[in-house]
Amino acid sequence: KQEVTQIPAALSVPEGENLVLNCSFTDSAIYNLQWFRQDPGKGLTSLLLIQSSQREQTSGRLNASLDKSSGRSTLYIAASQPGDSATYLCAVITANDYKLSFGAGTTVTVRA
Amino acid sequence: NAGVTQTPKFQVLKTGQSMTLQCAQDMNHEYMSWYRQDPGMGLRLIHYSVGAGITDQGEVPNGYNVSRSTTEDFPLRLLSAAPSQTSVYFCASTLSEGNYGYTFGSGTRLTVV
Repeated sequence: KQEVTQIPAALSVPEGENLVLNCSFTDSAIYNLQWFRQDPGKGLTSLLLIQSSQREQTSGRLNASLDKSSGRSTLYIAASQPGDSATYLCAVITANDYKLSFGAGTTVTVRA
Repeated sequence: NAGVTQTPKFQVLKTGQSMTLQCAQDMNHEYMSWYRQDPGMGLRLIHYSVGAGITDQGEVPNGYNVSRSTTEDFPLRLLSAAPSQTSVYFCASTLSEGNYGYTFGSGTRLTVV
């Protein structure tokens, strides 16, 4: 069974600092990895999708890397802003069962 | 383009009542799934469907039924609500299994008293 772990569980930084969020997974046979953002009481918004053949994806201030062989992904958020405060979820689709497995998330607070 | 639409947004049920959570998508996605999100437990898969007429169980299927008569709709039925089913429910869809990203609905917050 795929296990997805996100570290740290919570993070508080001053505005302007770069954010580094980590995700690890136990079964490296994946189709893709997706990062989501969830605001309190809201749904999940997709941020980045990385296919298993890719090493990274970028969108604006967001960059996600993928090292499939070691079972790790990192989400970088440059020059953080208070509006980046949210919970960030990592999810992988495992190749043998096509299921989407989630980590518990990292809750980010950016202080003005 | 509406994406994935869930109704209702909020619901309070009494123990033993039944209800249906609605989910509809307009992206012609083959694969649809239901998750529940509980504090400390993350998102867990309840049921999923790989196409019209095909459904299967996920990680926590007990107490829930699904059917998929059309590509667009994937309702989740609670047969006899229990307090343990108090949760936030999310519906998600993707074009097909494997290589595509998922789109999530905005969720239904259910309280069973």
